[in-house]
Amino acid sequence: DTAVSQTPKYLVTQMGNDKSIKCEQNLGHDTMYWYKQDSKKFLKIMFSYNNKELIINETVPNRFSPKSPDKAHLNLHINSLELGDSAVYFCASSFHRSGLNNSPLHFGNGTRLTVT
Amino acid sequence: SQELEQSPQSLIVQEGKNLTINCTSSKTLYGLYWYKQKYGEGLIFLMMLQKGGEEKSHEKITAKLDEKKQQSSLHITASQPSHAGIYLCGAHAGGTSYGKLTFGQGTILTVHP
Repeated sequence: DTAVSQTPKYLVTQMGNDKSIKCEQNLGHDTMYWYKQDSKKFLKIMFSYNNKELIINETVPNRFSPKSPDKAHLNLHINSLELGDSAVYFCASSFHRSGLNNSPLHFGNGTRLTVT
Repeated sequence: SQELEQSPQSLIVQEGKNLTINCTSSKTLYGLYWYKQKYGEGLIFLMMLQKGGEEKSHEKITAKLDEKKQQSSLHITASQPSHAGIYLCGAHAGGTSYGKLTFGQGTILTVHP
């Protein structure tokens, strides 16, 4: 009964390859996110989708393309992988509420991407 | 943009000791979240604080948000090895930020038995 699940858990690939990471949530949330955690443990938002609509795109290279087929799924496709893309990628979901009625984000267990 | 500074960056304590982790913002915090991360796992939500002066507790962990809403602390009483991990504070920019949380750099907690 995993709430936010992402696959694969580990991904090792060579420079120049194209890869995808999948994410699914069964919490009924309307908003999903991709966050990137670098080697120094800094966690930064990449994208946010609300009801399948792209809401946040944080100056991420266009080699990264998120796709949300429905509000329970948010996949991340990466083209022409580079060494600097090595990181842990976290999917998250929440209910979107404005103002002070924020709801916490629920995170997946992360995908550790290593580009060689 | 909002920046969050956590201190200390790492902490090593003996089991049974109390400890405090701080999170300071340069701007007003509209929603402050504390998460715990274990190696190889995702972030586990601990607590959310929104109002100035708010305090919440769960088991042996207490989180507070100051009246000015620019600083939060996380206090663990009688620490146990199970408390070990990385503690991250995250905050909203305010308004309709769609869950755009800015995170601190994390505090690595080690608890020796």
